[in-house]
Amino acid sequence: GENVEQHPSTLSVQEGDSAVIKCTYSDSASNYFPWYKQELGKRPQLIIDIRSNVGEKKDQRIAVTLNKTAKHFSLHITETQPEDSAVYFCAATKSSASKIIFGSGTRLSIRP
Amino acid sequence: NAGVTQTPKFRILKIGQSMTLQCAQDMNHNYMYWYRQDPGMGLKLIYYSVGAGITDKGEVPNGYNVSRSTTEDFPLRLELAAPSQTSVYFCASSEGQGGEKLFFGSGTQLSVL
Repeated sequence: GENVEQHPSTLSVQEGDSAVIKCTYSDSASNYFPWYKQELGKRPQLIIDIRSNVGEKKDQRIAVTLNKTAKHFSLHITETQPEDSAVYFCAATKSSASKIIFGSGTRLSIRP
Repeated sequence: NAGVTQTPKFRILKIGQSMTLQCAQDMNHNYMYWYRQDPGMGLKLIYYSVGAGITDKGEVPNGYNVSRSTTEDFPLRLELAAPSQTSVYFCASSEGQGGEKLFFGSGTQLSVL
């Protein structure tokens, strides 16, 4: 079955700098890759997703890139702000699946 | 449109007690999921359902049961609660197949003492 590995487990960056979180997946048939943000004590919320027919997607300060050949995808956050501090989860699934597989999460801290 | 509603928000159980965590969604989603999240950890799938009357086990189903009699409701039953079931429980529903675009409830914080 699908396996999703996420790195790093913790990340600390200076406010204003960029942050990059990486995930690899094992099932080459996976075709949908979302990213969820979970603030402390809150529920996970979808922040951006990408399908396998595109290589990159941007939404203001966040972007996701996908390399199907290498089976990895990354979340990029530019000009980081204090409100970006949270745990971020990547995930992968395919159209024929009934469930999605999550990575183990990255705790991002923004230093003032 | 309330989205995914979970009750209760907090609960303390004694070892051996049973309880049902309620989950309801008003988005007419066929796919629904129960996850548990231990402190500082990731999301582990307990059970899921692809439609009314159909349920299946996830990664950590032991000690739990579910039912799906309607599209809207997906309750999670804990039988004979154990300290290892202390966790935050999230219910989620999916807009699409494969768990795409999950909408999570606000969670239930459960302590078993």
